[in-house]
Amino acid sequence: SQQGEEDPQALSIQEGENATMNCSYKTSINNLQWYRQNSGRGLVHLILIRSNEREKHSGRLRVTLDTSKKSSSLLITASRAADTASYFCATDAGGAQKLVFGQGTRLTINP
Amino acid sequence: GAVVSQHPSRVICKSGTSVKIECRSLDFQATTMFWYRQFPKQSLMLMATSNEGSKATYEQGVEKDKFLINHASLTLSTLTVTSAHPEDSSFYICSAGGQRSSYEQYFGPGTRLTVT
Repeated sequence: SQQGEEDPQALSIQEGENATMNCSYKTSINNLQWYRQNSGRGLVHLILIRSNEREKHSGRLRVTLDTSKKSSSLLITASRAADTASYFCATDAGGAQKLVFGQGTRLTINP
Repeated sequence: GAVVSQHPSRVICKSGTSVKIECRSLDFQATTMFWYRQFPKQSLMLMATSNEGSKATYEQGVEKDKFLINHASLTLSTLTVTSAHPEDSSFYICSAGGQRSSYEQYFGPGTRLTVT
């Protein structure tokens, strides 16, 4: 399977703390994306990082990409209760615009 | 912008019946749409790629005669689950891409299918 792995599978932290999620993939990629999914809902695109980029920021989000290790991390700083959701990484390893999703991290922010 | 809708959001049907799920791109034309299935607490698994005006491309292990996909226009793709069985119960999500970015996909809110 091309599906990537994410760790941790579940993460529970206190509001205000930083949350870090990791993603590993298996094949060469052109880009990697992170998505958020609230329970029972569709996915919301958070950020895209290209293979020639090492780090990217968007608001409280920071994404890193290490193509030599085939891994990426998503950091959410100053977490809020509203950040509670599942987070998935996805790569274009499927080709032809197809996305291959990681297994996801379920993040719970405790007030 | 880039809004994708799905209808219905929830559906319950009896075993053996067929169910149609619609996916619409509301503010852009989507040459390509994707259909995913997601089981509880699991990731999204791509079922098929739907291209406007042509036959869908199915992923390995997905029965094309069971999951009928039609992409008759640039704003609408439909997934019909034929002769549904309880094991088809799942969360079905569509996405649209190909217009604003060749990489980013815009996801619908999903359809929860329960087959009794």
